[in-house]
Amino acid sequence: GAVVSQHPSWVICKSGTSVKIECRSLDFQATTMFWYRQFPKQSLMLMATSNEGSKATYEQGVEKDKFLINHASLTLSTLTVTSAHPEDSSFYICSARWQQETQYFGPGTRLLVL
Amino acid sequence: QKEVEQNSGPLSVPEGAIASLNCTYSDRGSQSFFWYRQYSGKSPELIMFIYSNGDKEDGRFTAQLNKASQYVSLLIRDSQPSDSATYLCAVNPSGGSNYKLTFGKGTLLTVNP
Repeated sequence: GAVVSQHPSWVICKSGTSVKIECRSLDFQATTMFWYRQFPKQSLMLMATSNEGSKATYEQGVEKDKFLINHASLTLSTLTVTSAHPEDSSFYICSARWQQETQYFGPGTRLLVL
Repeated sequence: QKEVEQNSGPLSVPEGAIASLNCTYSDRGSQSFFWYRQYSGKSPELIMFIYSNGDKEDGRFTAQLNKASQYVSLLIRDSQPSDSATYLCAVNPSGGSNYKLTFGKGTLLTVNP
């Protein structure tokens, strides 16, 4: 299967700081990547769809000015959580579209905001 | 609202048995269907996808699709304790040009040694 990486895997930061998470497709080009968030014991929640070379499409209720997404190349999308607060603490997972609608997930990034 | 429904479980089966995981979806025009496995604390990993009615087999896994009944299932033969995880059903709704998947909330499977 296709391989997707995420970096960092863990991040702890102080309230008010910004955190950048990288998502890379390692062995294929991904014109579309997705960003999800998952709270403990809850289901995946799609935050936004990231298309290479264009603006991300955010799901209803997701603040685009708080969660900045950049998909500058066919193998890299970044999610920046700006002015993070404790309620932003979560498991952030990216996925990359491989063929048709098949998505491969990265290993996820755990964010803890103190 | 296009929905994907799964029994949350937990579904408990003994080692060596067949585990049957079920999923229904509301959008009759859906064309592609996926099963992901998610271990506790990890991200989802793709097990199988299926597009056509009928069965698709891959090792110990068989996906079954019945579009008329809007039903997709995953059978796991010879279940192993390592199969214990949450299984997510995902569907690409019709008319979606953005390749988004709608996920069910998942079924927790426990395989007892």
